[in-house]
Amino acid sequence: NAGVTQTPKFRVLKTGQSMTLLCAQDMNHEYMYWYRQDPGMGLRLIHYSVGEGTTAKGEVPDGYNVSRLKKQNFLLGLESAAPSQTSVYFCASSQGWYTSYEQYFGPGTRLTVT
Amino acid sequence: DQQVKQNSPSLSVQEGRISILNCDYTNSMFDYFLWYKKYPAEGPTFLISISSIKDKNEDGRFTVFLNKSAKHLSLHIVPSQPGDSAVYFCAASARRDQETSGSRLTFGEGTQLTVNP
Repeated sequence: NAGVTQTPKFRVLKTGQSMTLLCAQDMNHEYMYWYRQDPGMGLRLIHYSVGEGTTAKGEVPDGYNVSRLKKQNFLLGLESAAPSQTSVYFCASSQGWYTSYEQYFGPGTRLTVT
Repeated sequence: DQQVKQNSPSLSVQEGRISILNCDYTNSMFDYFLWYKKYPAEGPTFLISISSIKDKNEDGRFTVFLNKSAKHLSLHIVPSQPGDSAVYFCAASARRDQETSGSRLTFGEGTQLTVNP
């Protein structure tokens, strides 16, 4: 039982390049989330999903796209990376509010855009 | 609009003493609160939570207090241990939001706790 895993752990991109971050969970959770963490700003929600095939915007969605084709996977895409997207990205999952508010987090992906 | 605020970026305490981490919120619809702990190069892990129907919840060395009238909560760690050194995030949720848009949490900025031996 690995919980929530994220791939890759580190990445350096040049401005304008694209990439996809992969999140996988093996807890059969319905809900999944992508956050970014920046110094002094806590964790901010980018996009989330309440089930396979569904996605929704969070607080800071601009410049990102997501897909949830399978229940266990949640992909975060950057189509044209910008230096402002330099951050640590965390994926999380939860059973859903009717069971628990607790979210389980992955180890993070540190992304640098030069 | 920062709905959850942790005004102290850092806190340093001696081993064995009490650590008190504070959190304030502005959204009166928040009715469930959580504390997460984060070590460097790891993801946040859940520590303790409290519902708005309670004013205190205790789990071992960790106690969370909620003052709804002041829109304030605090996390007490007694006694503090060097292994408690980490960043602590306060998070809040509103049941109305859960029913319509997922189990969304709003996080504070975090407080770096350092426990000195």
